[in-house]
Parts: sequence; C-alpha cells; structure tokens
Amino acid sequence: QKEVEQNSGPLSVPEGAIASLNCTYSDRGSQSFFWYRQYSGKSPELIMFIYSNGDKEDGRFTAQLNKASQYVSLLIRDSQPSDSATYLCAVNGGAGGTSYGKLTFGQGTILTVHP
Amino acid sequence: SAVISQKPSRDICQRGTSLTIQCQVDSQVTMMFWYRQQPGQSLTLIATANQGSEATYESGFVIDKFPISRPNLTFSTLTVSNMSPEDSSIYLCSVVPFGGEDEQYFGPGTRLTVT
Repeated sequence: QKEVEQNSGPLSVPEGAIASLNCTYSDRGSQSFFWYRQYSGKSPELIMFIYSNGDKEDGRFTAQLNKASQYVSLLIRDSQPSDSATYLCAVNGGAGGTSYGKLTFGQGTILTVHP
Repeated sequence: SAVISQKPSRDICQRGTSLTIQCQVDSQVTMMFWYRQQPGQSLTLIATANQGSEATYESGFVIDKFPISRPNLTFSTLTVSNMSPEDSSIYLCSVVPFGGEDEQYFGPGTRLTVT
C-alpha cells in the first residue's frame, strides 16, 4: 500500500513568516512530487512540482526533495493571509510503469496565516 | 496549463438513480483521470480514463458502479450508478497536458449530494 504522510496540522504562522510543510512517502519508485493548494470549496491548484533531489524555487515557494530519505517539503516565504488554505502533497508512481500518472495524496495540512 | 470544465458543477440526486459527469478540456491531453474527494478527506483516484478503450480502475472501484468513457483526447465522462448517500462527494477530473512533463491539473469538480 503506497502511503503519503503529511505533518499534522493545522499550522498557524504570522504574516511575513516562513511556513514549512512536510511530506514523507513510502514508495521508493516514486518519480515525481507535487504540491497542490486547495481553498475551501475549490479544486486543488498545482503550485509546485519537483523531480530531482535538491531545491526548486518559484517566487515565494521552494520545494525540497530528498529521495534517500523519502521526504519532500514546501517552504512558503513571506507568508500572506491569502496563503491560508489546505496544502496537499501528491506523489506520482514510477515512470513508464502501470502506476505512472496515478497520484497518491497525503491527508493535507491546513495552513492559516494570521495578520 | 489546459482549461478544464466539468458539468454539472453540482447536483442533488435521489438514491438509486445515476448521474453522468462530463469533463471537457480545451486542448488535447495525454492522460485523464477521475478522483473522488469525500467530505473532509483528501483525494482518492477512481480510475484512469483510457482513450478508445476501457478505463483502468483502482482497488475498491468497479466499472459497474463507475462506468467511464473517453472517446477522444479532450473529453471524458464518469457515471455514478445506483447512487447511495455514501456516494456524496466531490468528483474531479484531472489531465496531463501534452508538451509538459507529467504535471497534472484538476477540473473545478462536481459536488454531488445523494439523498
């Protein structure tokens, strides 16, 4: 059973702080990793994806991947109240195999950024 | 990213009836999937919609309950058959566009309530 675990929430940070969201996964064959943001009543919105070990930065967002530790994280710098949402970590199955394209989601972490 | 629409956006149905949900994309995509998000939960993959052939279902989901069609590279339908209150969920289609890597985008979802 493939599992994706996210750090328990909810997470509350003050405006301007760094929010750190963490995720571990069980399937060592996983090839790609995604972070989605979901506002209440809306569908998930892709905000970051990462395939290689190391860091990937996009604006205020940084995704970090460590395949040896089976760990992926998302850092949100200069957090804003508009970042308040549920963040979902998703892991894709192995490239070219029958699991390819099939996302396994974590349970989500609720982030609240307070002014 | 592709522009994805779903119809209907929401519906209230009586138990024992069936509902067909449509997913339309504004450009051809390689892969299409159907997910379910039960109240307060994360997303669970129902099936992969294969163009021109039978869908591939995940454990716990069967074709008789969730028949899926994908007649071309831009359109798919999911039918929820013989509904019960336990089928009350948000149903989301997702797509992997051509030309990208394997990032996956979600439609706006269909909120289904079964009474």
